[in-house]
Amino acid sequence: AQSVTQLGSHVSVSEGALVLLRCNYSSSVPPYLFWYVQYPNQGLQLLLKYTSAATLVKGINGFEAEFKKSETSFHLTKPSAHMSDAAEYFCAVSARNSGYALNFGKGTSLLVTP
Amino acid sequence: GAVVSQHPSWVICKSGTSVKIECRSLDFQATTMFWYRQFPKQSLMLMATSNEGSKATYEQGVEKDKFLINHASLTLSTLTVTSAHPEDSSFYICSAPPGAGGRNQPQHFGDGTRLSIL
Repeated sequence: AQSVTQLGSHVSVSEGALVLLRCNYSSSVPPYLFWYVQYPNQGLQLLLKYTSAATLVKGINGFEAEFKKSETSFHLTKPSAHMSDAAEYFCAVSARNSGYALNFGKGTSLLVTP
Repeated sequence: GAVVSQHPSWVICKSGTSVKIECRSLDFQATTMFWYRQFPKQSLMLMATSNEGSKATYEQGVEKDKFLINHASLTLSTLTVTSAHPEDSSFYICSAPPGAGGRNQPQHFGDGTRLSIL
């Protein structure tokens, strides 16, 4: 089975500051890793995904994440936060042996202050 | 790209009512659909996997008789919450597995259904 742990249920950054949301994974087989964003009362939007190609993955809205096998991490970063980035962020993992169903982390709520 | 359409988007009903949620793949066929549940301020949890032409696979702790899942065709999967009670109030969201809409397609989610039981 696969699982992810998101460190920090709430993260607050100033507008223009670096965004770093942490995610560590556990998997006995090669994982596929994802970051999703959810705005209030809305569904999920895929930010980016790692599927065993390049370890540095670039996503939408200026986000990127780096797969580090030695650290079992897949942290999400953005150089400069915008007010519109305030949302709930979920890290998720899947694998072929689970039929590609997603196991989500508990989520990190990002607050961006002026 | 591949689109998953989920209806209704919002349901408010009385306790004891059964509610059906539909998840359709609009431009591709899906032999499998995932159903997730999200309680307020919490993460998403896989409830079950629907399989076209066979019984759904439920995750541990999910009541099969409460959450009836049917995969009637290659483009339609339904979740029926039977005799719903306030504790069933939640956000339900379906998704097609990666590759269902074509090679290298990611997992496509419906927009979700917010269920409120009074």
